[in-house]
Amino acid sequence: EAQVTQNPRYLITVTGKKLTVTCSQNMNHEYMSWYRQDPGLGLRQIYYSMNVEVTDKGDVPEGYKVSRKEKRNFPLILESPSPNQTSLYFCASSLSVQGHQPQHFGDGTRLSIL
Amino acid sequence: AQKVTQAQTEISVVEKEDVTLDCVYETRDTTYYLFWYKQPPSGELVFLIRRNSFDEQNEISGRYSWNFQKSTSSFNFTITASQVVDSAVYFCALSEATGANNLFFGTGTRLTVIP
Repeated sequence: EAQVTQNPRYLITVTGKKLTVTCSQNMNHEYMSWYRQDPGLGLRQIYYSMNVEVTDKGDVPEGYKVSRKEKRNFPLILESPSPNQTSLYFCASSLSVQGHQPQHFGDGTRLSIL
Repeated sequence: AQKVTQAQTEISVVEKEDVTLDCVYETRDTTYYLFWYKQPPSGELVFLIRRNSFDEQNEISGRYSWNFQKSTSSFNFTITASQVVDSAVYFCALSEATGANNLFFGTGTRLTVIP
């Protein structure tokens, strides 16, 4: 089954404790992206990647890191989480940048930073 | 700069009523793409439609229809004969051809269909 898989789905942690949210897609997609969803703000892009070893900042990259060492994986790293990073996070992928194909989203990761 | 506005924060309708969700966008690109996504109470994001800026034909898919008007920079979504299963948050989004495949989302409209 074609899918984007995020782990964990839920996490409660404390300020300053490094965490990683994994994202994996099995569709051989070139493009991957991370968004965060906050009430009243919709979804905002954090980082994106157009291919292996190619990453770039989105609209709200502060406090986050990403890597794209393999085509299928695009982990989101919070080196020193803070309460303002409490949010619902979505990973997404699409076949390519060409033609702006629809993005397939994972089921989301709800992070609570205390 | 790009922007997507969904002015309706919440809408409630009674089952079988028709409902239109508004979306107004701003972009300087002449080539762009518009999307609608559905987020049901379970939380996942479901792709509904993609439309490019050169195709102003309206589209119908079952009870769903979309009205794209470049003259008013709008891409409205109508649900005919609404059902309880249509209850969800609906997001309109824009992607510009000059950028990567990055989506700019509106703030969403929460639709509640009352049985």
